[in-house]
Amino acid sequence: DTGVSQDPRHKITKRGQNVTFRCDPISEHNRLYWYRQTLGQGPEFLTYFQNEAQLEKSRLLSDRFSAERPKGSFSTLEIQRTEQGDSAMYLCASSLGSQVGAGETQYFGPGTRLLVL
Amino acid sequence: GNSVTQMEGPVTLSEEAFLTINCTYTATGYPSLFWYVQYPGEGLQLLLKATKADDKGSNKGFEATYRKETTSFHLEKGSVQVSDSAVYFCALSGSGGSYIPTFGRGTSLIVHP
Repeated sequence: DTGVSQDPRHKITKRGQNVTFRCDPISEHNRLYWYRQTLGQGPEFLTYFQNEAQLEKSRLLSDRFSAERPKGSFSTLEIQRTEQGDSAMYLCASSLGSQVGAGETQYFGPGTRLLVL
Repeated sequence: GNSVTQMEGPVTLSEEAFLTINCTYTATGYPSLFWYVQYPGEGLQLLLKATKADDKGSNKGFEATYRKETTSFHLEKGSVQVSDSAVYFCALSGSGGSYIPTFGRGTSLIVHP
């Protein structure tokens, strides 16, 4: 068990550029979540996958954001035409889920810190 | 919608002091409740959880009891250490048929020697 990994750990980009982040979950986990965290706040849910299917998306996830999880393994989060308000820590978490309310534990990656200039 | 409210930080204590971090929630049905901890420079990790009313979660000397009547899940530790300095997040999931977790804003704990 190598844990959840994210790449890159840091990204600085100019406004208007596109960025892509990668998350590698724990291998046997079927659920994968993306969150955004800003300073002094808790993680805010963006989207989640069960295997390769994207099942829910937050209203926070504008049309500039897209996420994929091909083959139910790693996932990518792309932000197009970045804005300064996109500057945040982007967290990925994975879990082994069987049913709602079962209290599944999420395992978080270290995050990707994005700064949009 | 669901929400989690945590006490404002930072909480500053001396080593061996008693710790309480308050957490209350609003949710539909019977969610599972969690405390996650984020040590400096690291990702969030589960500290403890409780999945039904009156359950007590415990780990590393920390405890929290799921109180449905007061919709609370307060975190306690009898004697804190400098190494407990971190940000603590209360969270819930499994409310109203949704998998989506809701986190509180986090409470920073600073323990002085």
